[in-house]
Amino acid sequence: AQTVTQSQPEMSVQEAETVTLSCTYDTSESDYYLFWYKQPPSRQMILVIRQEAYKQQNATENRFSVNFQKAAKSFSLKISDSQLGDAAMYFCAYRSANQGAQKLVFGQGTRLTINP
Amino acid sequence: ETGVTQTPRHLVMGMTNKKSLKCEQHLGHNAMYWYKQSAKKPLELMFVYNFKEQTENNSVPSRFSPECPNSSHLFLHLHTLQPEDSALYLCASSQDRHRTGLYSNQPQHFGDGTRLSIL
Repeated sequence: AQTVTQSQPEMSVQEAETVTLSCTYDTSESDYYLFWYKQPPSRQMILVIRQEAYKQQNATENRFSVNFQKAAKSFSLKISDSQLGDAAMYFCAYRSANQGAQKLVFGQGTRLTINP
Repeated sequence: ETGVTQTPRHLVMGMTNKKSLKCEQHLGHNAMYWYKQSAKKPLELMFVYNFKEQTENNSVPSRFSPECPNSSHLFLHLHTLQPEDSALYLCASSQDRHRTGLYSNQPQHFGDGTRLSIL
């Protein structure tokens, strides 16, 4: 079974600075997808960024980028120019690309605080 | 505005009550999911429906009974719950291109959740 580990329960960063959230995963599969979701206090889980394992190029979405290291099974999220609205719980998630597999496996989450 | 709507937002019930959680998606997706989010634990997948058929039951106790009458609506019927069932219950939907989930790179869209408290 796949597992996802986020080793940082809490992180804080000064507004406008850069922060990196860590995520590692364990799988025997070669084809899969990785996601970062954000859950603000309003509770709605929102997709931040996703990465296909077969792509070597790291995904980027505006101020959000990932460092995908397939051999190391690492998938960290970098937030540049942090803004107050970035404060939330961040969840790393794994999803198999195998036929019939629809389940997302989530990490425990990292609570990110932005200091003004 | 969320494309996935959950009601109620909050629910307090006794262990002998029967209640239902409702989820509706307005995104034209064909797969829907129930997750349980407990404090300090990862989100746990409970059920998956694809094209209205249940494709996954993640060893969920029978006191939780899902129902998917069509691809836009998903219910979670609750009966004789336990205090440890208090949690945030999240519904999600996604567009899977195939019944078996092939090409499942499409992200799941989540609702706001129902905060359930069992007295």
